[in-house]
Amino acid sequence: AQTVTQSQPEMSVQEAETVTLSCTYDTSESNYYLFWYKQPPSRQMILVIRQEAYKQQNATENRFSVNFQKAAKSFSLKISDSQLGDTAMYFCAFMNLYTQGGSEKLVFGKGTKLTVNP
Amino acid sequence: NAGVTQTPKFQVLKTGQSMTLQCAQDMNHEYMSWYRQDPGMGLRLIHYSVGAGITDQGEVPNGYNVSRSTTEDFPLRLLSAAPSQTSVYFCASSYGTSGTPYQETQYFGPGTRLLVL
Repeated sequence: AQTVTQSQPEMSVQEAETVTLSCTYDTSESNYYLFWYKQPPSRQMILVIRQEAYKQQNATENRFSVNFQKAAKSFSLKISDSQLGDTAMYFCAFMNLYTQGGSEKLVFGKGTKLTVNP
Repeated sequence: NAGVTQTPKFQVLKTGQSMTLQCAQDMNHEYMSWYRQDPGMGLRLIHYSVGAGITDQGEVPNGYNVSRSTTEDFPLRLLSAAPSQTSVYFCASSYGTSGTPYQETQYFGPGTRLLVL
């Protein structure tokens, strides 16, 4: 079974600084997708960024970028120029392409609570 | 588009009561799913559907029932509520499965907070 581990339950960063959230996963598959979701206090789950495992180039979305290390099974999220609105829970998620929509289709980590301080 | 909508936002139930959590999407998505989120844990899949008339169990299906009569709607039924079902419930949808990251990306509703006394 695939597992996703986020080893940092909580982190904090000063406004305008850079922070990196860690995520590792365990799989025997070679093709899959990875996601980072943000959950602000409103509880809405918002897609931040996604990465295809077969792509070597790291995905970027404005201030958000990932460091995808396939051999190490690592998928960290870097937030540059942190803003107060980035305060949220961040969930790393793994998507298995080779199940038929079953229970291992999208597997989440337990989340990292990020606080951006003024 | 309204995206994925869920009702109610918050509900209090007594043990043994039944209720239905509603989920609807207007994006013509084939894949829909229900998750629950408990403190200190990520989301866990309850049930999912790959299209109208097709449903299957996820990781934690016990005590829940689903049906998918239309593409748009995917209600979740609690048959006899228990305190262990106190949680936040999320519905999600995507275009389909076995596609591109764009097609596979799941979009979430705002959640329903359920308290079972």
